[in-house]
Order: sequence, then C-alpha cells, then structure tokens
Amino acid sequence: AQSVTQPDIHITVSEGASLELRCNYSYGATPYLFWYVQSPGQGLQLLLKYFSGDTLVQGIKGFEAEFKRSQSSFNLRKPSVHWSDAAEYFCAVGEGNSGGYQKVTFGTGTKLQVIP
Amino acid sequence: GAVVSQHPSWVICKSGTSVKIECRSLDFQATTMFWYRQFPKQSLMLMATSNEGSKATYEQGVEKDKFLINHASLTLSTLTVTSAHPEDSSFYICSAPRTSGSGEQFFGPGTRLTVL
Repeated sequence: AQSVTQPDIHITVSEGASLELRCNYSYGATPYLFWYVQSPGQGLQLLLKYFSGDTLVQGIKGFEAEFKRSQSSFNLRKPSVHWSDAAEYFCAVGEGNSGGYQKVTFGTGTKLQVIP
Repeated sequence: GAVVSQHPSWVICKSGTSVKIECRSLDFQATTMFWYRQFPKQSLMLMATSNEGSKATYEQGVEKDKFLINHASLTLSTLTVTSAHPEDSSFYICSAPRTSGSGEQFFGPGTRLTVL
C-alpha cells in the first residue's frame, strides 16, 4: 500500500528566508505526487504535481518540488517565503486503479509559520 | 480551472439528527467523487469513493450505514451523516477528478460539521 511521510509537523521560518518541506513516499510503481496547501478553515489548493518527465516541477506561488526516485522523496521548496505562505502543507501520492482515476493518500501535513 | 463546491460550508446539529452534505462539480462531469474527513490538526483520511449510478466504495473502518453516499448525477454526490454524534464532528471534504487517469483531483472548500 502507498504511504506518505512528512517528518516535520511544524516549521517556522523568517519572511524572506528559503523554505524546504520534506516528503517521503512509499509506492511500488512510479508514483503520482502532489503538494497541496490548506489555509485555516479552507479546502485544498494544488501547488504542483509530478506525473513523469522532468523531475524538477514548478508550481504556483513560486513553489517548486524535486522528485528523487533514489531517495523516494518529493521535497517542496521556495527560495523566499512570504507571510501569506503561512498555512498547512500536504504531500500526497496517487495511485491509478481499474477505474482510471487516482486514489490519493495524504501525508500528515506540515504547518508553516512565517515570522517577520 | 475546475471548480467543486460544497454545501453547506458549516452546519451545527443536535446529537441524533441526520445531516446531508452536497458536493457539486460546477463545470465538469464527475463519475467519481471522493469523500474525506479531517479531524483538527490532522490529515485528510479517505472515507469513501462515490460512484455515479452505483454503490459507493467505503474504506476500511468506515461505517457505510452511518455515512450514506448517493451519487445520483454526474455533477452531484451527497454524504449523509445519520444519527450524528459529537464524535462525528469534523471537517468533511469532497474531491473529484476531472479527467480520468490524470491524477489531479479538485477539492471542494469543505464542510465543517459540529454535533452538539
């Protein structure tokens, strides 16, 4: 069964500093990988996704993530954090099935706090 | 982009009553929708897969008689929490994949259920 691990429950960074959120996955085949962001009381917004091809994926809001098969990782990065980036971030892995759609498993999330 | 709506966004009910939550895909058809539950400060847990025109598929440990799912049309799935109890209080989120096999799911804004 697929699984996702986000080892950091809570991260605090200063505004303008760089950010890296860690994500490790377990999946037998080539995974479909996602990063979502959730603001308090809100639904999920897709930041970026990896299906195949270039292992460095660019997303919205200046985020990027790199798929490293050898490390089973898909870490999220941003070179300069803005106060509005404070939110909960979820890494997720999707698997296809006979129905052709994705069953998605989420990590436990990393809460990002941004300080002035 | 694709939009998924949920109604209501917040509901408060008395213990023992039933609550219906709607999930609509606004600009695309969804033969499959997913229902998740998110407890405070926790990740999203898949509850069930809603299939248009057929029975829903429930994840292990989810009571199908407790959480009734009806996917009556290609744009609407409903989740009914029957005989709700305080422990059912949670944030319920639905999602729908727009294109079969693409892996990207579009999430609704969520419904916060509080059972008194």
